[in-house]
Amino acid sequence: QVQLQESGPGLVKPSQTLSLTCTVSGGSISSGSYYWNWIRQPPGKELEWIGYIYYGGKTDNNPSLNGRATISMNTSKNQFSLMLSSVTTADTAVYYCARKSGNNWFFDFWGQGTMVTVSS
Amino acid sequence: DIQMTQSPSSVSASVGDRVTISCRASQGISSWLAWYQQESGKAPKVLIYAASNLQSGVPSRFSGSGSGTDFTLTISSLQPEDFATYYCQQAKSFPLTFGGGTKVEIK
Repeated sequence: QVQLQESGPGLVKPSQTLSLTCTVSGGSISSGSYYWNWIRQPPGKELEWIGYIYYGGKTDNNPSLNGRATISMNTSKNQFSLMLSSVTTADTAVYYCARKSGNNWFFDFWGQGTMVTVSS
Repeated sequence: DIQMTQSPSSVSASVGDRVTISCRASQGISSWLAWYQQESGKAPKVLIYAASNLQSGVPSRFSGSGSGTDFTLTISSLQPEDFATYYCQQAKSFPLTFGGGTKVEIK
């Protein structure tokens, strides 16, 4: 069974870049069957889709982030990553990585989530 | 962007009750809708996809219906492990968007 695990700093200063990695086990991120996503949830708020990366490097991001999000993958480590630049306190959230499979855009496997606080 | 509106925002119910949660899309999304359950402090878990398809391993007391703009998640007989927050998500177009959530609380 596939497992996803987020890792990265829990505290980031305003204006800096948030950097997170999702390590995938039990399956290869190089499979053309899956899209690999980042989703976040500010405390007490709803979920927000950030973006995805597909094997071969195709990506798409939520326009609400104004081009600040970059998603990349490292197939040799079976990982994909999120970089979010120029963070503010509004970027404080639990960040999840998640997998999409099949023809329907829903997320069938999720990481446990990692809390990132933006504060000086 | 497609806006997803859930109602109610919270519901109090007892074990064994039938619970219905609604989700409305700001424009037609055919059957491109998923439902998730999120327990406190945990990641969401998909229950239903394509509006009415039960994800593998999900108990049959969960069901989904609807198409176009109006959708419903029904729990036929609420169990203790079902007290959680439920979210809908549209899968029709990017950016993918979620509803505001419905918290199912113990009465």
